[in-house]
Amino acid sequence: EAQVTQNPRYLITVTGKKLTVTCSQNMNHEYMSWYRQDPGLGLRQIYYSMNVEVTDKGDVPEGYKVSRKEKRNFPLILESPSPNQTSLYFCASSLIGVARGGYTFGSGTRLTVV
Amino acid sequence: QKEVEQNSGPLSVPEGAIASLNCTYSDRGSQSFFWYRQYSGKSPELIMFIYSNGDKEDGRFTAQLNKASQYVSLLIRDSQPSDSATYLCAVAGLIIQGAQKLVFGQGTRLTINP
Repeated sequence: EAQVTQNPRYLITVTGKKLTVTCSQNMNHEYMSWYRQDPGLGLRQIYYSMNVEVTDKGDVPEGYKVSRKEKRNFPLILESPSPNQTSLYFCASSLIGVARGGYTFGSGTRLTVV
Repeated sequence: QKEVEQNSGPLSVPEGAIASLNCTYSDRGSQSFFWYRQYSGKSPELIMFIYSNGDKEDGRFTAQLNKASQYVSLLIRDSQPSDSATYLCAVAGLIIQGAQKLVFGQGTRLTINP
């Protein structure tokens, strides 16, 4: 089954404790992206990657890191989480040139930083 | 002005009626347009995409695009309680350095009343 897999689904952590949210896709998509979703603010892009070793900032990259060492994986790293990073996070992937297919989203990670 | 604007709702429609969801966008270079459905706490699910002026129909859903007016809409005929969700409009612009970013509206919350 074609899918984007995120882990974990739920995570509660404390301020300053490094964490990684994993994302993996099995569709051989070049393009992968991380979004956060907050009430009243909609989906905002954090980082994206056009292929292996090619990443760039989205609209709200502060406090986040990413890497793309393999085509299928695109982990999101919070080096020192803060409460304002409490949010619902989605990983998404697509073929380059999204015109026809749009994004496929993972099932989401609800992160709470206390 | 936001890049993609939607009325946040809530929009309440009786069961069996037509639900009409609207979206405007600011970038005249936008090429492709998507409608996603998102149930509470779940990931966005692609339900329609359109890239040519006019109407596109898929079952009970019709997407309408008017590039001159920078307007895209989604009609849901014979609305069912299971259609109650938040509907996200997304717009894809030009491909820059291989990447085609989707910009999302904040979403319209739709409630179908039995």
